[in-house]
Amino acid sequence: SQKIEQNSEALNIQEGKTATLTCNYTNYSPAYLQWYRQDPGRGPVFLLLIRENEKEKRKERLKVTFDTTLKQSLFHITASQPADSATYLCALGANSGYALNFGKGTSLLVTP
Amino acid sequence: EPEVTQTPSHQVTQMGQEVILRCVPISNHLYFYWYRQILGQKVEFLVSFYNNEISEKSEIFDDQFSVERPDGSNFTLKIRSTKLEDSAMYFCASSVLGLAGHSEQFFGPGTRLTVL
Repeated sequence: SQKIEQNSEALNIQEGKTATLTCNYTNYSPAYLQWYRQDPGRGPVFLLLIRENEKEKRKERLKVTFDTTLKQSLFHITASQPADSATYLCALGANSGYALNFGKGTSLLVTP
Repeated sequence: EPEVTQTPSHQVTQMGQEVILRCVPISNHLYFYWYRQILGQKVEFLVSFYNNEISEKSEIFDDQFSVERPDGSNFTLKIRSTKLEDSAMYFCASSVLGLAGHSEQFFGPGTRLTVL
């Protein structure tokens, strides 16, 4: 069955450091991969989208990589700030569908 | 900045009752979605809707669920006979493009449904 796995343990880092979150998937051939941020009790907020033919995408302090051979995406937040503390969700979509399939998310805590 | 809105923010109902969750997608978006998130679990896709018909649905979206776009702005999710396991946060989302464009989806703040 299709699986999307994200670090289940919370990631605690110090302000100013780079946070790296991992998304691995199996039995899946996604056309694109998206990263969302979710704060407690709120809806997901879109951050970045990367397509299967792209290796890397950047937006301000955010960087996403997509390795379809390893079936993995890495999400980096550079110069992290306490305001970056949230749960980060990886979501995959297929060419033939409309649905986003989400991972369970990784909780990030950035301490001053 | 345009946003997806949802009402009510919290709905409490008795098991077996019908509920209707309402959403106003972003005005120039063409694709609409419902997702749910049971407490502590992942966000799960329920249904997508385009051009006044369902374009895709998941196994969760059984005969107890229905969606409708009753006018040019609202998008609703109806649960005919609620069960305890329907208790969850329900998110509406919309996007400019769907299958062809693979664009991001904009999510509303959610409706927390509690079935007693």
